[in-house]
Amino acid sequence: DIQMTQSPSSLSASVGDRVTITCRASQTIYTYLNWYQQKPGKAPNLLIYAASSLQSGVPSRFSGSGSGTDFSLTISSLQPEDFATYFCQQSYSTSWTFGQGTKVEFK
Amino acid sequence: QVQLVQSGAEMKKPGASIKVSCKASGYTFIAYYIYWVRQAPGQGLEWMGWIDPNSGGTNYAQKFQGRVTMTRDTSISTAYLELSRLRSDDTAVYYCATLRGAVPGWGQGSLVTVSS
Repeated sequence: DIQMTQSPSSLSASVGDRVTITCRASQTIYTYLNWYQQKPGKAPNLLIYAASSLQSGVPSRFSGSGSGTDFSLTISSLQPEDFATYFCQQSYSTSWTFGQGTKVEFK
Repeated sequence: QVQLVQSGAEMKKPGASIKVSCKASGYTFIAYYIYWVRQAPGQGLEWMGWIDPNSGGTNYAQKFQGRVTMTRDTSISTAYLELSRLRSDDTAVYYCATLRGAVPGWGQGSLVTVSS
């Protein structure tokens, strides 16, 4: 299985901060990488697909980059509604695997 | 608009079985695999397997082999996840999902609670 290593596991930030979360795959996954936001009690909400494509309806402050094995999600200016947990997921293999998650909390 | 609508919450006793449904709409059901993923309370996301709605072919995560069965009914565009011999650590939200090209779509989740 492809292992996905996400970092950090948590971070503290303030409204307006620029936040970057990284995800590394154990082998190349080209650009088959998706990012999700999840709030308590809710299903994962797709933010970015194919490493850098913004899902319809998602604010432009979210962006994704990377290819091969190294990827990142950036929130350019953190908003109050962005405090949540973020996951990466590889869909290169049909045996999906996920990062462990990054919890973004108030500083 | 792609939609995956799942069945409601269930409570089961240890040793029982559950069957969760996932009804697809807004796209050609047989064209894309249906994946099943679960999330235990406070934990990350865990892939359980997939079914090819066209052929009925399946691939299960090794962890669930022998306990999981994925099926589909193409006449009503619905996929099913059945998990047997439930244990308390099977308490989780179970999600179905699909991948159309590069774009994933998810159901709303079905909470399964296993408790005596």
